[in-house]
Amino acid sequence: QSVLTQPPSASGTPGQRVTISCSGSSSNIGSNYVYWYQQLPGTAPKLLIYRNNQRPSGVPDRFSGSKSGTSASLAISGLRSEDEADYYCAAWDDSLSVHVVFGGGTKLTVL
Amino acid sequence: EVQLVQSGAEVKKPGESLKISCKGSGYSFTSYWIGWVRQMPGKGLEWMGIIYPGDSDTRYSPSFQGQVTISADKSISTAYLQWSSLKASDTAMYYCVKGGILTGFDYWGQGTLVTVSS
Repeated sequence: QSVLTQPPSASGTPGQRVTISCSGSSSNIGSNYVYWYQQLPGTAPKLLIYRNNQRPSGVPDRFSGSKSGTSASLAISGLRSEDEADYYCAAWDDSLSVHVVFGGGTKLTVL
Repeated sequence: EVQLVQSGAEVKKPGESLKISCKGSGYSFTSYWIGWVRQMPGKGLEWMGIIYPGDSDTRYSPSFQGQVTISADKSISTAYLQWSSLKASDTAMYYCVKGGILTGFDYWGQGTLVTVSS
């Protein structure tokens, strides 16, 4: 059971807009930044969004992040076949000691 | 170019010890946290712990405290993850990551696959 809750799957057709949610608590998302990672099949994860809504250089602006209270979401617009991947949200958690918690991951299928 | 290069795949027996490595290059190794993330076969990402090579400040996820040891040798820009007695349930891919609160984990190693089987 992951500390952050994500839907296990999501899907969309090319060109569509898809959102993936991530729910946490006051000790993690509620008081810290949210990050999103993309893991393409058979590869290491890659940072997609940091500090809730910032994109590293090289990440297309089709990807956007937002946060409200103890929830966050990742939106992907203009869906492309190469976006088919697993997506994970993460946040630092202050509840016990300073450490990181991940969501369980969402498998995005492009139909 | 920033790189994290991990040591190669390992096949071990239960009860054996193991130390895997992660060599950083292309940035100031002592100025950024290095973390370790486990991914069991077909499963999600799990946070194990983190070390600041500058002063060796180390923090562990409660789930991994006492199960593994994280260390770093700043003289050779290398971080380590070690086990004293492996279990079959330690079979997983292990990633090292660089970064912190402001940047997120912006660079990931290629992963080290650890297989523990009798």
